[in-house]
Amino acid sequence: GAVVSQHPSRVICKSGTSVKIECRSLDFQATTMFWYRQFPKKSLMLMATSNEGSKATYEQGVEKDKFLINHASLTLSTLTVTSAHPEDSSFYICSARRGASDETIYFGEGSWLTVV
Amino acid sequence: RKEVEQDPGPFNVPEGATVAFNCTYSNSASQSFFWYRQDCRKEPKLLMSVYSSGNEDGRFTAQLNRASQYISLLIRDSKLSDSATYLCVVSNFGNEKLTFGTGTRLTIIP
Repeated sequence: GAVVSQHPSRVICKSGTSVKIECRSLDFQATTMFWYRQFPKKSLMLMATSNEGSKATYEQGVEKDKFLINHASLTLSTLTVTSAHPEDSSFYICSARRGASDETIYFGEGSWLTVV
Repeated sequence: RKEVEQDPGPFNVPEGATVAFNCTYSNSASQSFFWYRQDCRKEPKLLMSVYSSGNEDGRFTAQLNRASQYISLLIRDSKLSDSATYLCVVSNFGNEKLTFGTGTRLTIIP
C-alpha cells in the first residue's frame, strides 16, 4: 500500500486563486519531506525541502512567497500555490524517506494542477 | 552541463528484445544511484538501486562505473509492461534530495 499519500490527485482552479496540496506520511514520521514539480515531458525538479517545525528551504529560482510550505506535524506537509497562474499548471509531487534504516525514497501519488 | 544526463529516446523496441539505457552524472561526490520507472501521469517508482558491484533483479541489470561517472540499465526479454519512462536518479550521501535525469521513454512493440 501507499507509504506517502497526496491529496488532491487532480485540481482545477481559476487564475488568481490559491490551492493547497497535502502530503502525508502514512505509517512513519517524516521530519523532512521534499516537493518536486514536473512539467510535461520534463524531469522532476526539486522545488523545496520541507522541514518539520521550521521554515522550508527553497531551491534557487523558486518563489517562497508563491509556493508556501508548511510542515506543522511529523506526518503532514502542505504546499500552497498562491495567486495561481496558468503557467503554474504542472504535476506536483512530494517525497519522504521512511527512516535512517530505509534508504528508499517514497513518493506520493502526485497532484495534477490545472489553472484556467 | 546537466547534473544527470540521459538519452531522452524514445526507444521503440520489439517485445522480447534486450534494451540498454545509459546515464552520466557530473557530481563526483554523488554516492547513491537509482533507476526509477515512471508511467504516464503517475509518480516515479523505484525500480532498483545501483551499486558499484552491479546488481541484478530478474530481467533487470544495473551497473555503476564511478571512474567514468556512468550508470546503465539493461532490460532483457522485454515485456509490453516495460513500456514507461526510465529515470536515472542520483543523490549525495546522507542527502535525501534526489536529482533526476530527464528520463528515457521506452515503448515495447508487440
